[in-house]
Amino acid sequence: DVKVTQSSRYLVKRTGEKVFLECVQDMDHENMFWYRQDPGLGLRLIYFSYDVKMKEKGDIPEGYSVSREKKERFSLILESASTNQTSMYLCASSKLRGRRNTEAFFGQGTRLTVV
Amino acid sequence: QQPVQSPQAVILREGEDAVINCSSSKALYSVHWYRQKHGEAPVFLMILLKGGEQKGHDKISASFNEKKQQSSLYLTASQLSYSGTYFCGTGEASGTYKYIFGTGTRLKVLA
Repeated sequence: DVKVTQSSRYLVKRTGEKVFLECVQDMDHENMFWYRQDPGLGLRLIYFSYDVKMKEKGDIPEGYSVSREKKERFSLILESASTNQTSMYLCASSKLRGRRNTEAFFGQGTRLTVV
Repeated sequence: QQPVQSPQAVILREGEDAVINCSSSKALYSVHWYRQKHGEAPVFLMILLKGGEQKGHDKISASFNEKKQQSSLYLTASQLSYSGTYFCGTGEASGTYKYIFGTGTRLKVLA
């Protein structure tokens, strides 16, 4: 059974803290993504990585960075957490066929609250 | 940047039909549809790859008009289990590895 695992379901952090969200997939997928989900705004792409050590900005990268040192692991980093980063964060992965994504598989999400 | 979905929300009675639309400002090579139930991760429903292609899955089908950069999801004779939020996921024809989702449509089916 394919799996994308996020390290935490719920996190509460203080403003200014450095926050790490971890995601691991066991499907040997090339492409991995971080999205945030907010009511009425759908899923917005923060960053993605189509290969180890490669990273590209999505639509809302400000305030975030990422790391992909191994193919199966993709980390999202909030350098200095702020209250407007309170959200649901979803990690996903997909296999590439050429330059094209096949279906995405999602983790269960991390609900981050910044106080 | 995000594909726009319409309607934003819809409420149905069991047995009624619904159509959800997804419209992109960019040329697409594919559209995927997902359903997310409350408190769960989005789950893949179907993929449409060719312009004009229509696919079906039980009583849920979809079409993709690549010239108009639009896709529609058709839910026929809706069941309670269809409730959830529906997203279109899009791959851009420009060759980027990017994969973005639409704004979402909340669907609730009442008994």
